[in-house]
Amino acid sequence: GQNIDQPTEMTATEGAIVQINCTYQTSGFNGLFWYQQHAGEAPTFLSYNVLDGLEEKGRFSSFLSRSKGYSYLLLKELQMKDSASYLCAVLDSNYQLIWGAGTKLIIKP
Amino acid sequence: IAGITQAPTSQILAAGRRMTLRCTQDMRHNAMYWYRQDLGLGLRLIHYSNTAGTTGKGEVPDGYSVSRANTDDFPLTLASAVPSQTSVYFCASSDGSGGSTDTQYFGPGTRLTVL
Repeated sequence: GQNIDQPTEMTATEGAIVQINCTYQTSGFNGLFWYQQHAGEAPTFLSYNVLDGLEEKGRFSSFLSRSKGYSYLLLKELQMKDSASYLCAVLDSNYQLIWGAGTKLIIKP
Repeated sequence: IAGITQAPTSQILAAGRRMTLRCTQDMRHNAMYWYRQDLGLGLRLIHYSNTAGTTGKGEVPDGYSVSRANTDDFPLTLASAVPSQTSVYFCASSDGSGGSTDTQYFGPGTRLTVL
């Protein structure tokens, strides 16, 4: 079956760096997405990786290793507004998006 | 402002009643999706449509139906609501041409409670 694993919850300190990991086993691979979802709101797109390596967008970076079935989202200079759930999703061989359950990130002052 | 709208924002419904959740997008996206999100389970795909006139079943289609008469609208109908359909429902759309164009953009959601 298809499976995406992420930690359920993580805690970090304002101003610090946090890395949220995602491992996947899917039937085929056509890219990996990261979304941010604040409580009570809709998911919003953060990043897309299809090739191995690191993609940087301001304070957020996303890394992909296709051979290891692994990705991480790196958040730098954490701010209180970064408190949210972070969802990892993989586009499989049928171009269906397979979603992880999300990682709830708690930022403490 | 371009995007996706959903209606209603929230609804309390008696079990056995019929309910249609509305979704409209103005981005001229080919593909549209309906998800439900329950605590601890993440997003689960109910139905999808790759293009106007076609629909497909997702992971949890039972008890739900959809139609795609045109590009912009993708209503989700619960024929006879049951308490297990209490959830937050999100509609999403994507260009659907593959790769990064499959980025899905979400509506604000409908919070549905079935009593």
